[in-house]
Amino acid sequence: GQQLNQSPQSMFIQEGEDVSMNCTSSSIFNTWLWYKQDPGEGPVLLIALYKAGELTSNGRLTAQFGITRKDSFLNISASIPSDVGIYFCAGRLNTGKLIFGQGTTLQVKP
Amino acid sequence: ETGVTQTPRHLVMGMTNKKSLKCEQHLGHNAMYWYKQSAKKPLELMFVYNFKEQTENNSVPSRFSPECPNSSHLFLHLHTLQPEDSALYLCASSRQVAGAVDTQYFGPGTRLTVL
Repeated sequence: GQQLNQSPQSMFIQEGEDVSMNCTSSSIFNTWLWYKQDPGEGPVLLIALYKAGELTSNGRLTAQFGITRKDSFLNISASIPSDVGIYFCAGRLNTGKLIFGQGTTLQVKP
Repeated sequence: ETGVTQTPRHLVMGMTNKKSLKCEQHLGHNAMYWYKQSAKKPLELMFVYNFKEQTENNSVPSRFSPECPNSSHLFLHLHTLQPEDSALYLCASSRQVAGAVDTQYFGPGTRLTVL
């Protein structure tokens, strides 16, 4: 079945460092979404991408829709302690079905 | 605050109990969703409702029974659950189902523990 491979599974970085995570698949998507989930809370939408090649920023976050439409990445620049959480990618197929990645757990050391 | 609220936030129940989870969205959306989130696993879509009609049931056991009385409210009725049903249950809403520019907004979830 369709699935997304999100990597890395977890990251432990120093405050101020840049972070990069990505999602890949063998399926083609028409939308990519990136969510962040804090402990005990639901996922919150960070960035939505709608066109292949699209590069979108939201503050220190930057995400890109891969040109092949099979992948996407999320970068966080100059990480801070409140960036801690689980980051999920989600891709929407042409059927409308939304597929989620397994999540990347980010820990930031002050 | 995403405009999607869920109650209760935490629930502990025995296997013979009957309980209900409630979701309400204040965004004027037409589609609502139930997801299950277990540790170390991707989000699992359970049910989809569009304009109060169920459009998707991802082979969910009958001990989970959804109800959507209107586009703003969604319930998940629980009965005779198993310990492996313990998880975070997330509700989400979107303007419509399967729209190419549509995004889902999540509630905070209900942490369910089945003893």
